[in-house]
Amino acid sequence: QQQVKQSPQSLIVQKGGISIINCAYENTAFDYFPWYQQFPGKGPALLIAIRPDVSEKKEGRFTISFNKSAKQFSLHIMDSQPGDSATYFCAAFYNQGGKLIFGQGTELSVKP
Amino acid sequence: GAGVSQSPSNKVTEKGKDVELRCDPISGHTALYWYRQSLGQGLEFLIYFQGNSAPDKSGLPSDRFSAERTGGSVSTLTIQRTQQEDSAVYLCASSLEGVWEKLFFGSGTQLSVL
Repeated sequence: QQQVKQSPQSLIVQKGGISIINCAYENTAFDYFPWYQQFPGKGPALLIAIRPDVSEKKEGRFTISFNKSAKQFSLHIMDSQPGDSATYFCAAFYNQGGKLIFGQGTELSVKP
Repeated sequence: GAGVSQSPSNKVTEKGKDVELRCDPISGHTALYWYRQSLGQGLEFLIYFQGNSAPDKSGLPSDRFSAERTGGSVSTLTIQRTQQEDSAVYLCASSLEGVWEKLFFGSGTQLSVL
């Protein structure tokens, strides 16, 4: 059973634009929602994360928006750059389960 | 080393053969995870080890898959009688006690079953 659904599967954005990736989850026991960034040939790396007691978290050009009632969260990349081109994964974690459940991934391409 | 190390980085095998994939976690990390990444798919959880607790094997797709962790450090993922559908990137990750949710991934082993 897929517990975290991510969209879109791929995204093309012009340099300087805003990239938006969305995720929805089912299990209300999840208590930590990270985003991972993966470059070709590398493992995913933690980018930014949020807990459900806040609605937004910003780190530089990256922002997570969290809607607990809708069970949705999204990643916004402001002023997108070609170096941001990568695959992005959302994920969800709950301490009792002890493992991260990942979304299907979004391949982002930022055109110069 | 400073990061999670996986070996080999690439493995080509014939259908029906057994393969072993190795993971060296970050020193001091007590939790270790295996995930599988198939082309166009997300990261599929396979198994995780946390300290001395019994491993969570709930993600292993069949009894051909097994994993062990020796001495609380190095882990080996074994796939017996490999099938073409086993072709994927196998990723290992580790995390620190008390910060279980922050995973550090290795670069993975690309497995190709011919």
